Amino acid sequence: NAGVTQTPKFRILKIGQSMTLQCAQDMNHNYMYWYRQDPGMGLKLIYYSVGAGITDKGEVPNGYNVSRSTTEDFPLRLELAAPSQTSVYFCASSSGNFEQYFGPGTRLTVT
Amino acid sequence: ILNVEQSPQSLHVQEGDSTNFTCSFPSSNFYALHWYRWETAKSPEALFVMTLNGDEKKKGRISATLNTKEGYSYLYIKGSQPEDSATYLCAFKRNAGNMLTFGGGTRLMVKP
Repeated sequence: NAGVTQTPKFRILKIGQSMTLQCAQDMNHNYMYWYRQDPGMGLKLIYYSVGAGITDKGEVPNGYNVSRSTTEDFPLRLELAAPSQTSVYFCASSSGNFEQYFGPGTRLTVT
Repeated sequence: ILNVEQSPQSLHVQEGDSTNFTCSFPSSNFYALHWYRWETAKSPEALFVMTLNGDEKKKGRISATLNTKEGYSYLYIKGSQPEDSATYLCAFKRNAGNMLTFGGGTRLMVKP
């Protein structure tokens, strides 16, 4: 099993550009999550999904969108990148209420 | 907004020292408390998922306790080793919710 994979690993965006962060898992987990890590702030939940076709907002959803068309994939879309979205983004998955498995992260810089 | 606090924010210990740190969380509507270990330049990895008041979990030299009535959990590391250096995160899950709320983490540095 590859576990949770994320692409790209690094990206630099200009203000106003858009991009999609990819996340995939091969563990047949129903639950998937997107977090951002800001220095000294731990992990903040952006969006999550409890199954294909179902998504919901987390703590900090503004400026992001998600979709979940398959169990395996959970892409995160940034439409108009802003410097405040400079962060490290982690995707995670879990089977119901058990521990979450994290991907390797995507480091995004918006300048 | 749920308040999950971890203390201390950072901790320096010598190799061989035993150490512990705290996670405090809301005592109402408790469902589960997670602990994760997060090494620099890697992704968080689960240590424990605790659900019952009085739970004690152990993995090697690391153990954790849970008090849901007063809203705290302790993580203990016995005989710290340099490879224990990492950030330790706790995360709270409440009833009827699908989200984990993470604390800010405790950064542990173990000097050889």
